[in-house]
Amino acid sequence: AQTVTQSQPEMSVQEAETVTLSCTYDTSESNYYLFWYKQPPSRQMILVIRQEAYKQQNATENRFSVNFQKAAKSFSLKISDSQLGDTAMYFCAFRGSGNTPLVFGKGTRLSVIA
Amino acid sequence: GAVVSQHPSRVICKSGTSVKIECRSLDFQATTMFWYRQFPKQSLMLMATSNEGSKATYEQGVEKDKFLINHASLTLSTLTVTSAHPEDSSFYICSAQGVPGNTIYFGEGSWLTVV
Repeated sequence: AQTVTQSQPEMSVQEAETVTLSCTYDTSESNYYLFWYKQPPSRQMILVIRQEAYKQQNATENRFSVNFQKAAKSFSLKISDSQLGDTAMYFCAFRGSGNTPLVFGKGTRLSVIA
Repeated sequence: GAVVSQHPSRVICKSGTSVKIECRSLDFQATTMFWYRQFPKQSLMLMATSNEGSKATYEQGVEKDKFLINHASLTLSTLTVTSAHPEDSSFYICSAQGVPGNTIYFGEGSWLTVV
């Protein structure tokens, strides 16, 4: 079974600074997808970024980028120029091939400090 | 991205009654939807996988007679909590596979309070 581990329960960062959230996973599959979701206090799950395992190039979305290390099974999220609105829970998630559900990590609570 | 709508956002019901939560994919067809439950300060716990036109697949430990899931059309899945008890009070959230493939989009979630 796949597992996702987020080893940082809480993190904080100064506004405008850069922060990296860690995520590791375990799988025997070769074809899979990785995601970072943001959950603000409203509890809405918002997709931040996705990465296909077969792609070597790291995904980027504006201020958000990932460092995908397939051999190490690592998928960290870097947030640049942090904004107060980035304060939220961040969940790393794994999805295998087919109509399979997401497997989530336990989350990292990020606080951006003014 | 794809839009998933969940209703109601908040509901209060009395112990022993049943309550239905709807999950709709507004701009795409979703053959598969997923239902999660989230306890305070915890991650999302998968309850069941809902497939259009067939019975849902429940995760171990989830009572299928208590949490009835119906996926009668390609755009609608419902979760009915039957004979609700206060311990069923929680945040329930649905999701569906959208486009591009393999990305899952979430509804807004539903807060259920059983009194």
